[in-house]
Amino acid sequence: QSALTQPPSASGSPGQSVTISCTGSSSDVGYYKYVSWYRQHPGKAPRLMIYEVNKRPSGVPDRFSGSNSGNTASLTVSGLQAEDEADYYCSSYAGNNKWVFGGGTRLTVL
Amino acid sequence: QVQVVQSGAEVKKPGASVKVSCKASGYTFTDYYIHWVRQAPGQGLEWMGRINPIGGAANYAQKFQARVTMTRDKSINTAYMELTSLISDDTAMYYCARGTVGAYGPDDYWGQGTLVTVSS
Repeated sequence: QSALTQPPSASGSPGQSVTISCTGSSSDVGYYKYVSWYRQHPGKAPRLMIYEVNKRPSGVPDRFSGSNSGNTASLTVSGLQAEDEADYYCSSYAGNNKWVFGGGTRLTVL
Repeated sequence: QVQVVQSGAEVKKPGASVKVSCKASGYTFTDYYIHWVRQAPGQGLEWMGRINPIGGAANYAQKFQARVTMTRDKSINTAYMELTSLISDDTAMYYCARGTVGAYGPDDYWGQGTLVTVSS
């Protein structure tokens, strides 16, 4: 299975909103509603921010939201804060008990 | 509370094998999958496979199919990932992560990572 496609970088000023895309295919993102998003700070393990396209685990601020359209899923971070500066990865179920990650997007808070 | 603790860093020579352990606590081990994800230095996350601790069935990414074996020991709530025929490109941080049964993928409980360095 091929990696999902994410833009390598994104940026925004504090308080602004930024959206990160995650493009797959009709075999993963476009077919299964099991897209997750993870945030990873340098030297740390990833943290789950969104699951099942648009659901937030407990403890994740409602500034984080997810959506999808066709073969593309998106993560929107509203009200950017300094702590949001990190790498973000999408992941999708790809069928046959296989999963795939995106290449990652480095979010910079200007 | 839920904890996932991995074994320590490893240094291996090319051609060797490495076996990383992942000990879970704070939940019923057989109620959740264990996923294995690796991250080469400066690179992104790469899904390697997952094991269902109940029966031990494992599924692997095609890239690793020939070289990886995932197992578990239910008596000590521990999962293992063995990678054989190591090459320098296998130098990476290896993570295990709990996963809800079904199509959900890794959830919010990850190990601290195990750095595997392959060098002659």
